[in-house]
Amino acid sequence: SQQGEEDPQALSIQEGENATMNCSYKTSINNLQWYRQNSGRGLVHLILIRSNEREKHSGRLRVTLDTSKKSSSLLITASRAADTASYFCATVVPNTGTASKLTFGTGTRLQVTL
Amino acid sequence: ETGVTQTPRHLVMGMTNKKSLKCEQHLGHNAMYWYKQSAKKPLELMFVYNFKEQTENNSVPSRFSPECPNSSHLFLHLHTLQPEDSALYLCASSQERGGGDTGELFFGEGSRLTVL
Repeated sequence: SQQGEEDPQALSIQEGENATMNCSYKTSINNLQWYRQNSGRGLVHLILIRSNEREKHSGRLRVTLDTSKKSSSLLITASRAADTASYFCATVVPNTGTASKLTFGTGTRLQVTL
Repeated sequence: ETGVTQTPRHLVMGMTNKKSLKCEQHLGHNAMYWYKQSAKKPLELMFVYNFKEQTENNSVPSRFSPECPNSSHLFLHLHTLQPEDSALYLCASSQERGGGDTGELFFGEGSRLTVL
């Protein structure tokens, strides 16, 4: 079963509004990451938050992490049409190997209209 | 020059063909990955290589054969594929520090594969 699940699956807002996406996961994590993907392109890393952090900011992005609820949220403030994309959360679970792996959710499709 | 380059960007092949996908990273990273992205499904991790050694094979069918000749190059050899293998294949790299604390992945633009 997948580790991360985003909610909502799709979100449509107008330019200038804020967009909030949520991610829930099942097991303990080392860190949680958010990625963005424009249609048919590769994923681009947005922000990483570690398990001992509660909130992180990067430009118009704000990420929160609640390890007790096993959930995270991504807030995009003052959205722009160029923010239209799919957004994925990915979790890194602790392991003893030499290389870890990220487990991705199914993503939230964000549409920002003028 | 992008950090992770994938070729070809698009590939159409028959079920009896043999083809290869190539990935090259210019970031000096020590880990490389193949992911499969199908419509309406989460990204599926296929293979992980760390310092050229395969550390993860996520129950991938043998018709997919990875090759990692050095830390900068990763191939995915394709043989006798099925139509359901049609997907976007994404390569990524990262700098692993060990201890299970993976940092960010850098992705290529992907290779769109269509199996007829």
